[in-house]
Amino acid sequence: GEDVEQSLFLSVREGDSSVINCTYTDSSSTYLYWYKQEPGAGLQLLTYIFSNMDMKQDQRLTVLLNKKDKHLSLRIADTQTGDSAIYFCAESPDTGTASKLTFGTGTRLQVTL
Amino acid sequence: EAQVTQNPRYLITVTGKKLTVTCSQNMNHEYMSWYRQDPGLGLRQIYYSMNVEVTDKGDVPEGYKVSRKEKRNFPLILESPSPNQTSLYFCASCTPSSYNEQFFGPGTRLTVL
Repeated sequence: GEDVEQSLFLSVREGDSSVINCTYTDSSSTYLYWYKQEPGAGLQLLTYIFSNMDMKQDQRLTVLLNKKDKHLSLRIADTQTGDSAIYFCAESPDTGTASKLTFGTGTRLQVTL
Repeated sequence: EAQVTQNPRYLITVTGKKLTVTCSQNMNHEYMSWYRQDPGLGLRQIYYSMNVEVTDKGDVPEGYKVSRKEKRNFPLILESPSPNQTSLYFCASCTPSSYNEQFFGPGTRLTVL
């Protein structure tokens, strides 16, 4: 079945850039997502990228997709303490199966002063 | 306010005592899902529903039941809970769109003794 992998933990200093990486196995993935989970809360969609794109930028966030290597990354510029959270990579095969998301294990981002 | 609500938020119970976790959304979404979140495993889908009276198994359905009698509600039923069902449970809803954003509830932390 589909598999999505992430490293479990990342620590960065405030003001530095954070890069969270994700690899996936399903070559039919149509959309790839980054969800953010703050302490004690549910997940919120942070950004997404369609599989025919290489890069997407949204303010401090940059998503890079290497479809050949099935590698997705999320870069957060000028990381702030409010960015401390768990970040989940997720993939979806196509728009017809909106409920079939496969999530990674989550990367806990710790931002230090 | 558009939201997904879950009740209860916290539950401690004993092995074998039937329980129901309710989920309700006010966004008129067709798709609803249940996930469980465990350390090091990320989110795994338990069941999903593509519309009223249409449900299907996710990746880890054993020991769970669901029903979708109304569009807004999608309860999760544990007929005979066991300690390995101790977990953090999330309900999510979605409507088919260009990128299928899923909206998550706040989570239900269940402990089965």
